[in-house]
Amino acid sequence: AQKITQTQPGMFVQEKEAVTLDCTYDTSDQSYGLFWYKQPSSGEMIFLIYQGSYDEQNATEGRYSLNFQKARKSANLVISASQLGDSAMYFCAKKRPGANNLFFGTGTRLTVIP
Amino acid sequence: NAGVTQTPKFQVLKTGQSMTLQCAQDMNHNSMYWYRQDPGMGLRLIYYSASEGTTDKGEVPNGYNVSRLNKREFSLRLESAAPSQTSVYFCASSEAGGWGYTFGSGTRLTVV
Repeated sequence: AQKITQTQPGMFVQEKEAVTLDCTYDTSDQSYGLFWYKQPSSGEMIFLIYQGSYDEQNATEGRYSLNFQKARKSANLVISASQLGDSAMYFCAKKRPGANNLFFGTGTRLTVIP
Repeated sequence: NAGVTQTPKFQVLKTGQSMTLQCAQDMNHNSMYWYRQDPGMGLRLIYYSASEGTTDKGEVPNGYNVSRLNKREFSLRLESAAPSQTSVYFCASSEAGGWGYTFGSGTRLTVV
């Protein structure tokens, strides 16, 4: 099985500050995709951002950016200008092209402090 | 709104009871998935259906069966529920081999 590691079970950040959520992964694949999902207390899984292993630029989506370091096998999520609504669980996930499983890490619970 | 619809949202079962979790998507996706989410373990794949008429086991299939009723619908059945199956269940769909997964809102199942 693919191993996705999120070493921070919980993180706190002050409102309006930036925060980085860590994600590392094991792989021998050359081609793969990396994802971040947000799960608020209501429980749904919300897609945030995607990075392809061959993408030369780091992915960005609004306040979300992905710090992708392929050699280190890391795909950290950066949230800028944190808002109270960012308080949630965040999951990193990885998928091989054509495969039928999206492998998830164990998640990081982010709490934004007013 | 287009998306993945799961029913029911909550369910309590007694050990040994059976039930079926329903999932339907209206995005014309070929592939559908059932995941379970347990505390501290992220989401794990139970079964998937790469296309209509096919189903395959994922990481944790024991105790479950699935049916791909048609392109839209993919159901998950617990024949004899056990407390270890207490979890939150998510259905998802994607284009065949596609990157983007759309998740349903989840079913919180408690087996007592």
